[in-house]
Amino acid sequence: QVQLQESGPGLVKPSGTLSLTCAVSGGSIRSRNWWSWVRQPPGKGLEWIAEIYHSGSTHYNPSLRSRVTISVDKSKNEFSLKLNSVTAADTAVYYCARVDYGVYWYFDLWGRGTLVTVSS
Amino acid sequence: EIVLTQSPGTLSLSPGERATLSCRASQTVGSNYLAWYQQRPGQAPRLLIYGTSSRATGIPDRFSGSGSGTDFTLTITRLEPEDFAVYYCQQYGSSPPYTFGQGTKLEIK
Repeated sequence: QVQLQESGPGLVKPSGTLSLTCAVSGGSIRSRNWWSWVRQPPGKGLEWIAEIYHSGSTHYNPSLRSRVTISVDKSKNEFSLKLNSVTAADTAVYYCARVDYGVYWYFDLWGRGTLVTVSS
Repeated sequence: EIVLTQSPGTLSLSPGERATLSCRASQTVGSNYLAWYQQRPGQAPRLLIYGTSSRATGIPDRFSGSGSGTDFTLTITRLEPEDFAVYYCQQYGSSPPYTFGQGTKLEIK
């Protein structure tokens, strides 16, 4: 079955750039799905960051739009997130997730998540 | 932005009891666009309910969803030990397309 796996540095310095990749296995990123990033600060709730379709179409959370870039690499069957100018407030578990859309819209598959700490 | 407010913040119940979790939206949410997730400690969220009332694959029938407009409910009948977790509602709308409630923690009494 399809699985998602996040990867990237667990520690990023303040003012630096957070870079994460989500590998899609057991299926194709060209499937009829959007692909998202969601984050969760320690002990807090979920915040949607951005999503991308395999065509390259994107949507961003307006609250993060100025600092976020999402991209897709179809040849590697993965998609990526870059968040620049990070601060301690960006410390969170970052999840990649698959969006099932059409009649309904929801996150039907999640990666296990990766903790990114922003600290010097 | 549609804000989702979940209540109560924490719900203390015993195994075998019935749980009723509320999710209230600041604006009307289409019934096709309201979902519920369960998150156990240290795990990723898991889809329970989509389209207000449709159970996701493999979800036991003790979980049910209902509601419309701005008021939605997740009901868990006959609580099992593995049901004690945090529950989030989520809506799909516009700008941003996805928002989550702040969560309800279901704890063992």
